[in-house]
Amino acid sequence: DAMVIQNPRYQVTQFGKPVTLSCSQTLNHNVMYWYQQKSSQAPKLLFHYYDKDFNNEADTPDNFQSRRPNTSFCFLDIRSPGLGDAAMYLCATSADRGADTQYFGPGTRLTVL
Amino acid sequence: AQKITQTQPGMFVQEKEAVTLDCTYDTSDPSYGLFWYKQPSSGEMIFLIYQGSYDQQNATEGRYSLNFQKARKSANLVISASQLGDSAMYFCAMLPGGSYIPTFGRGTSLIVHP
Repeated sequence: DAMVIQNPRYQVTQFGKPVTLSCSQTLNHNVMYWYQQKSSQAPKLLFHYYDKDFNNEADTPDNFQSRRPNTSFCFLDIRSPGLGDAAMYLCATSADRGADTQYFGPGTRLTVL
Repeated sequence: AQKITQTQPGMFVQEKEAVTLDCTYDTSDPSYGLFWYKQPSSGEMIFLIYQGSYDQQNATEGRYSLNFQKARKSANLVISASQLGDSAMYFCAMLPGGSYIPTFGRGTSLIVHP
């Protein structure tokens, strides 16, 4: 089945130790998004790609980086995780502009020790 | 700027009964889409239902229906015949036409009692 896949589902890292979260999609969608979601809050958009064009939200910390080497894959790099970065990280895709449904992956729950 | 308001932080419903989750929105765009997502405790955001601003009829998907009142700028989700598996967070979201960045509400936690 076409879907959005995130790996790993659970990630534990140490304070300051870099971590990479991955997302892949078989939907061939143009747009890919990374969200951070903390407990009992709405997802917060970190950045998104429209095809190869990278768009960073103004309040996304520099500690967060992203790569999209091809249509199918997108990575979230957290260069020096802090305790406040512990959260659920959601990847989503949508086909294109204009009221297109976002499809989410299962998320990666990040714990920072 | 777009805004989504979900005024119910938590809702309780008896199994097999219907429940309405409220969502109001604010936008100056004439064209937009409204979405509802379910997020169980596992964390995945599951798309439930979509309503376009120009759609004449309310959207329905199985037990889910969207009570769309354009003049009131409301897009309430109605879940009929609630099941225990419906217990989850529910998020309302809006996407202006021509954009691909949705705005999410704060969510409503639904608990279904046996």
